[in-house]
Amino acid sequence: NAGVMQNPRHLVRRRGQEARLRCSPMKGHSHVYWYRQLPEEGLKFMVYLQKENIIDESGMPKERFSAEFPKEGPSILRIQQVVRGDSAAYFCASSPTPAWEPGAINTQYFGPGTRLTVL
Amino acid sequence: LAKTTQPISMDSYEGQEVNITCSHNNIATNDYITWYQQFPSQGPRFIIQGYKTKVTNEVASLFIPADRKSSTLSLPRVSLSDTAVYYCLVGDKAAGNKLTFGGGTRVLVKP
Repeated sequence: NAGVMQNPRHLVRRRGQEARLRCSPMKGHSHVYWYRQLPEEGLKFMVYLQKENIIDESGMPKERFSAEFPKEGPSILRIQQVVRGDSAAYFCASSPTPAWEPGAINTQYFGPGTRLTVL
Repeated sequence: LAKTTQPISMDSYEGQEVNITCSHNNIATNDYITWYQQFPSQGPRFIIQGYKTKVTNEVASLFIPADRKSSTLSLPRVSLSDTAVYYCLVGDKAAGNKLTFGGGTRVLVKP
């Protein structure tokens, strides 16, 4: 069973360009989460999606950032008009269930990340 | 979400036991304690989760005292490949969908 896949692994963009990051969840997982990690820091939650729905986008900047998880195909994190401060590692995670239930474990399975560098 | 505090870094040697303590003084009744491991240039990986007392799996043990205000991750007989950042997370059902990672503990295993 393949794990969470992300591509590209490395992405270089110039200021003002658009960045598109893709995430294919594990087979059978319909819940996707995006996180951002700045150097030497922990991961910060951005957005949680279920197929065709955004469930929680409280961690995502309101401007320039958008996310989708269509019925078919990977989840996409899109950053428009990138700035140098967007340089970071972006991780996608997936899970088979939306939240843990008493006695169960809600494990999020993380992909290898996409490292975005804005020149 | 209960805030967690853990040491910034720890050094150890191959074959030793590593214990990382995480403080979460404001933990709520419904909160679980979860530990993730992150290797350089990789995404975090779930290690272990517990609510109270002791939990053990093939990778680690998690010790949680009765007051649950702290927890200790124990890695038995570490090897060089255990060099990683270890994150302690605390949260309830609602928080399970938006994991909150602190700075973590950088564990360096030396030969």
